[in-house]
Amino acid sequence: GESVGLHLPTLSVQEGDNSIINCAYSNSASDYFIWYKQESGKGPQFIIDIRSNMDKRQGQRVTVLLNKTVKHLSLQIAATQPGDSAVYFCAENRGGADGLTFGKGTHLIIQP
Amino acid sequence: EAGVTQSPTHLIKTRGQQATLRCSPISGHTSVYWYQQALGLGLQFLLWYDEGEERNRGNFPPRFSGRQFPNYSSELNVNALELEDSALYLCASTLLAGGNEQFFGPGTRLTVL
Repeated sequence: GESVGLHLPTLSVQEGDNSIINCAYSNSASDYFIWYKQESGKGPQFIIDIRSNMDKRQGQRVTVLLNKTVKHLSLQIAATQPGDSAVYFCAENRGGADGLTFGKGTHLIIQP
Repeated sequence: EAGVTQSPTHLIKTRGQQATLRCSPISGHTSVYWYQQALGLGLQFLLWYDEGEERNRGNFPPRFSGRQFPNYSSELNVNALELEDSALYLCASTLLAGGNEQFFGPGTRLTVL
């Protein structure tokens, strides 16, 4: 079936460096994407979202890029901090009836 | 403003028993979604309730059921528990039915022995 997936299960970066987490999706009809952060023992926390009529959206230290041609989504985190250590999920909302479709997640590890 | 709350935090059951998990959405939110997050896997959509009605369910057997109360809180019931039901069960709420931004609770960790 169609799904949202992630390229790398674990990403290790130095504190202060920028991080890029990638995600591929297969449903070309999807029109809304979300990035969530999940810390150990907690529920997913909304980070940033983007609609399919956009190719870039910026938040505080985070940027999401959407490439509809290759069905690729990325999350960029600038100047990573220890508190950024978590599992990051991309998710796709196809209109609400099926809930969110999540990828398996990327574990971001920040090295001092 | 209080976020989504779930209870209990942890629940330990044995095979064949029944489990009941509870969720209170953010005040004013009418839609509640349930997800299962098994170890090493992503979140899988279970059920969606809105205005007291079940609107959709994911690819799970009928022994996974639930309901939504008039105050929009929700219960997830899992009957005839199996070992593979061990997972983190997450509840999310949205302001509007089918709303994009879902706010998640901390989850209930269900362990089936």
